[in-house]
Amino acid sequence: GESVGLHLPTLSVQEGDNSIINCAYSNSASDYFIWYKQESGKGPQFIIDIRSNMDKRQGQRVTVLLNKTVKHLSLQIAATQPGDSAVYFCAENYSGGTSYGKLTFGQGTILTVHP
Amino acid sequence: GAGVSQSPRYKVTKRGQDVALRCDPISGHVSLYWYRQALGQGPEFLTYFNYEAQQDKSGLPNDRFSAERPEGSISTLTIQRTEQRDSAMYRCASSLAGTGGTNYGYTFGSGTRLTVV
Repeated sequence: GESVGLHLPTLSVQEGDNSIINCAYSNSASDYFIWYKQESGKGPQFIIDIRSNMDKRQGQRVTVLLNKTVKHLSLQIAATQPGDSAVYFCAENYSGGTSYGKLTFGQGTILTVHP
Repeated sequence: GAGVSQSPRYKVTKRGQDVALRCDPISGHVSLYWYRQALGQGPEFLTYFNYEAQQDKSGLPNDRFSAERPEGSISTLTIQRTEQRDSAMYRCASSLAGTGGTNYGYTFGSGTRLTVV
């Protein structure tokens, strides 16, 4: 079936390092992708999104890269801070279907930032 | 309100009982979504509404699960004859419109932790 998955379930980095979190998706029809951050006890929080007509999008300290050829998505966090410690999820969406409101999430990567 | 509000925050129920979980979306948000999240997993889609119309209920696990949004605002997710496997975090989200390739303010609530004993 269609799925969104992550290569690495955990990632530990030192404060100030750059972090890269990866995600593989299998639905070639998906045309919209979102990265979420989820802290303990809270709901997923939007970080950045990208449409399939782009291959890179930058936000504040974050960059999302999309490689449609290999169906791969990554989130880069620059100068990682302890406050970035959380679980990160990628999610995909197919905007052309009747269920355009539906997001399919991956399993999540735990990011731990050491001071 | 300022955010998506869900109640109760925690619910413990005995197996076989019915439960109703409530979601109060952000004011003015057209679309409302229900997800279920197991520990360590990403949210799993259950169903969603545009206004009062249920657009997609393909994620509801079986006919014990139902949802409604009668006036296009507050929604209730009902689980009848609960089973232990129903134990999970149930999350609601709302957005200005269907995602459709744009975030449109898609915001999640803090969830209801359901435990069936």
